[in-house]
Amino acid sequence: GDSVTQMEGPVTLSEEAFLTINCTYTATGYPSLFWYVQYPGEGLQLLLKATKADDKGSNKGFEATYRKETTSFHLEKGSVQVSDSAVYFCALSPRTGGNQFYFGTGTSLTVIP
Amino acid sequence: DSGVTQTPKHLITATGQRVTLRCSPRSGDLSVYWYQQSLDQGLQFLIQYYNGEERAKGNILERFSAQQFPDLHSELNLSSLELGDSALYFCASSDRGGAGTEAFFGQGTRLTVV
Repeated sequence: GDSVTQMEGPVTLSEEAFLTINCTYTATGYPSLFWYVQYPGEGLQLLLKATKADDKGSNKGFEATYRKETTSFHLEKGSVQVSDSAVYFCALSPRTGGNQFYFGTGTSLTVIP
Repeated sequence: DSGVTQTPKHLITATGQRVTLRCSPRSGDLSVYWYQQSLDQGLQFLIQYYNGEERAKGNILERFSAQQFPDLHSELNLSSLELGDSALYFCASSDRGGAGTEAFFGQGTRLTVV
């Protein structure tokens, strides 16, 4: 079945460090891919998305590219800030059927000054 | 603020009881989703409604049921509660029910079963 495998955390980085959170997926066909972020005590917020192969989603300095050949959607940011501390979820939505999301386990990121 | 409203924010109840969680989607959104977030199982899709009709079903227990009303708000009913049902329950909405549509999440209802 459809699933997402996400890099285990927690991840601790110093401010201005480079961030990569790995995400790979298994799906029938070509799903849409998403990164959601959850700040403490809040719901999930959409960070970025890509709907077809080679698409790059970007927002707030974060980027992820839909790689069909490696079935991956890794999240990157060139210079993290303390305010980026949160839990990041990779998710896929299958191309057919309803619009349920399959989420990864989440990666907790802490950025220290 | 995502525009999705969930009530109540917190709920504490005893085993065997029944509770109702409520969700108001973003204005204009026709599709509502329910998710359960727990430490051991992560984020699990429970059920999706589109314009009042059930669209997709996930890992929803028989003790749980949901519906979407004509005004598009939705309720998730949890009955015969067990300790393991303690979790954060999220509602999300989207303008369409089709695949690949981004969903907007509410802040969740934290259910504690004692």
